[in-house]
Amino acid sequence: NAGVTQTPKFQVLKTGQSMTLQCAQDMNHNSMYWYRQDPGMGLRLIYYSASEGTTDKGEVPNGYNVSRLNKREFSLRLESAAPSQTSVYFCASSRPWGKYQETQYFGPGTRLLVL
Amino acid sequence: DAKTTQPNSMESNEEEPVHLPCNHSTISGTDYIHWYRQLPSQGPEYVIHGLTSNVNNRMASLAIAEDRKSSTLILHRATLRDAAVYYCILRDRHNFNKFYFGSGTKLNVKP
Repeated sequence: NAGVTQTPKFQVLKTGQSMTLQCAQDMNHNSMYWYRQDPGMGLRLIYYSASEGTTDKGEVPNGYNVSRLNKREFSLRLESAAPSQTSVYFCASSRPWGKYQETQYFGPGTRLLVL
Repeated sequence: DAKTTQPNSMESNEEEPVHLPCNHSTISGTDYIHWYRQLPSQGPEYVIHGLTSNVNNRMASLAIAEDRKSSTLILHRATLRDAAVYYCILRDRHNFNKFYFGSGTKLNVKP
C-alpha cells in the first residue's frame, strides 16, 4: 500500500514553460486535494476534487488547472509557469468517517523552482 | 472561515510533556478541531481531532476548553522524532472538503 505518490520529486522550469504534476492514491479515497507551501508558511489549498468527475477551486487557484483523471489520479497543471509559483506542492486524499469528519493523507511533495 | 492562532515556536526537553496551545475564538458549534504535524521535508500527517470532549490516541491527547474557544495538544513524553511543525485546523462546516492551515507551531525538542 503506497498511499499517496507524487511525481516528479523535484523540477526546475523556466518562466513561461508548462508542466503537469502527477498524483495518485491507492486507498480508494473519493476526495483529493492540491496544496502549495511557500517557505516558512502553512499549506494553502489550490484545488480539490470531492469525487471522480468533480473539481473545485480552493484558496489560491489562479495560474493552475486540474484534472481528476479517475478515482486514483489527480493532476495539477501549470500552463505558463511564473517565479511566484516556486513552491512545494503537496497532494492529499481523504477518507471520510462520520459527519464532518475525515482524515487527510499527504504525499511526499514536489519541489518546483521557476527561474 | 474560522481561524486559529498558535505560537510560532516552542521548545521542549526530551521525555518531558509538551503542551501546544491553539486559540480559535470564532469556532462555530459543529466545527471539529484537527491537529496535523509536518516533519522536516515531509507532507503533513494526522495527529488527532475532537469536537467537545477530550480525546486520546496513541500519538497524543487533545484537551478542549469548555467554551471551545481554545484547545491544547499534549504530547506526553516528547522524543526527538516529535520535532515538527504542528498545525491546529478547524474543519469548515460549510465546505467540508477544505482544510485551512495556519502557519503552525514549530516544536524543537532538546536532548
